[in-house]
Amino acid sequence: DAGITQSPRYKITETGRQVTLMCHQTWSHSYMFWYRQDLGHGLRLIYYSAAADITDKGEVPDGYVVSRSKTENFPLTLESATRSQTSVYFCATQAGEQYFGPGTRLTVT
Amino acid sequence: GQQLNQSPQSMFIQEGEDVSMNCTSSSIFNTWLWYKQDPGEGPVLLIALYKAGELTSNGRLTAQFGITRKDSFLNISASIPSDVGIYFCAGQGVNRDDKIIFGKGTRLHILP
Repeated sequence: DAGITQSPRYKITETGRQVTLMCHQTWSHSYMFWYRQDLGHGLRLIYYSAAADITDKGEVPDGYVVSRSKTENFPLTLESATRSQTSVYFCATQAGEQYFGPGTRLTVT
Repeated sequence: GQQLNQSPQSMFIQEGEDVSMNCTSSSIFNTWLWYKQDPGEGPVLLIALYKAGELTSNGRLTAQFGITRKDSFLNISASIPSDVGIYFCAGQGVNRDDKIIFGKGTRLHILP
């Protein structure tokens, strides 16, 4: 019973490359979220989804794209990665409380 | 918009000491949540609070939903080395579309 998983756990990419971070849940929770965590900023919401095919912007959506074709998957794509997108990315689901994945540490060189 | 202020930002304590941290919000919340994040991991839910005045324990951890609905407290009794980490408060407002928002965390250090 994995709950919520993220892949890859670690990624190094170059500026300008497209990168997709995967998030998968086994619970069928309707709501899913993407956050980035940076020192001094805490958790900042990038995008969220209320259900399959329904997504909405969070606090810091610029430079990111999401999709939700299936309830269990919520991929996050950086279309042209920049150094400022170096961060730790967390996916979460919500059923009352939020439950977080283990995170993806992304470095953009 | 809604804001959460979490304090202190960091704490340095001796093993065995009790710990207190708190969060205050600029508006009323219906839900308060407390999470712990270990290095290299995602935040893990410790305690969820749904009612003003509610006091809930999870082992050595106790959290309270403030009567004013604008604050919450987390206490850890008799700290041990594995308590080290970052503790986040989070809250959700009263409106249907309100999302859960997070404090910036309290980093707990335990001195040898």
